[in-house]
Amino acid sequence: GAVVSQHPSWVICKSGTSVKIECRSLDFQATTMFWYRQFPKQSLMLMATSNEGSKATYEQGVEKDKFLINHASLTLSTLTVTSAHPEDSSFYICSAYAGTRNTEAFFGQGTRLTVV
Amino acid sequence: GQQLNQSPQSMFIQEGEDVSMNCTSSSIFNTWLWYKQDPGEGPVLLIALYKAGELTSNGRLTAQFGITRKDSFLNISASIPSDVGIYFCAGEETSGSRLTFGEGTQLTVNP
Repeated sequence: GAVVSQHPSWVICKSGTSVKIECRSLDFQATTMFWYRQFPKQSLMLMATSNEGSKATYEQGVEKDKFLINHASLTLSTLTVTSAHPEDSSFYICSAYAGTRNTEAFFGQGTRLTVV
Repeated sequence: GQQLNQSPQSMFIQEGEDVSMNCTSSSIFNTWLWYKQDPGEGPVLLIALYKAGELTSNGRLTAQFGITRKDSFLNISASIPSDVGIYFCAGEETSGSRLTFGEGTQLTVNP
C-alpha cells in the first residue's frame, strides 16, 4: 500500500507552547486528510477533515483555534496544537485519502504528544 | 452521531485457538472495515467489506458484512502470537466519507 509519514513520532513540550505535527503522503496525492486523536485504551476519534486548498471541517467539540490544520499541498497536512495543556497529551494520527473508497485511505504511524 | 459497539473489549486466548469479535451499529453503514493497531502505531487495514452479506477472507482472517448493514464480525483462525494487538471495526456512511471507529478489542495470545 501507499505510505503516509507522520513527523515527529513523539514530542514532549511545555504547557503553553505550540507543537506542529506533519502528515505527508509519500507516493501519492491526497485529496483529503483526516486527523484523529486517541487516548490510552480508547478508540480513534475524528478531530477534523482537511481538503487541499480549503479550510478544515472540524468535528463537534473540537476547538478550531486550538487545533490549527493546514493542508497547503496534496502531499502535506499539518496539525498545530496551540497553547498546549497537559490534557492535550494524546496520540494523534492522520490518514491520507487518495481515491473514492476508504480502502484508499492510509494511516500514518501516529505522534505521541506529551505536555508537561 | 453514529455509534459502533464492539465486543468483546478484550480476549485472552491460547495460541492455536480461533477468535471472533463483532461490531453493531445503531444505523446503516455502506462499508465496514477492520483494522489492527500495534502499540504506538497507526491502524493497518485488514479487510474491507462493501456489500451486505459479503464474506471476505484474508489469510486466517474472515469478515462478514451483516445483511442488515448494521453489523459485522471478524474471525481469526489458528491464532499465533503476532496476532496480539487491538482490532478495530470502522464504518463508512458513504464512499470517501469519515470513518466511525468501534471501541476496539484487545487480543492477547499466550504461546
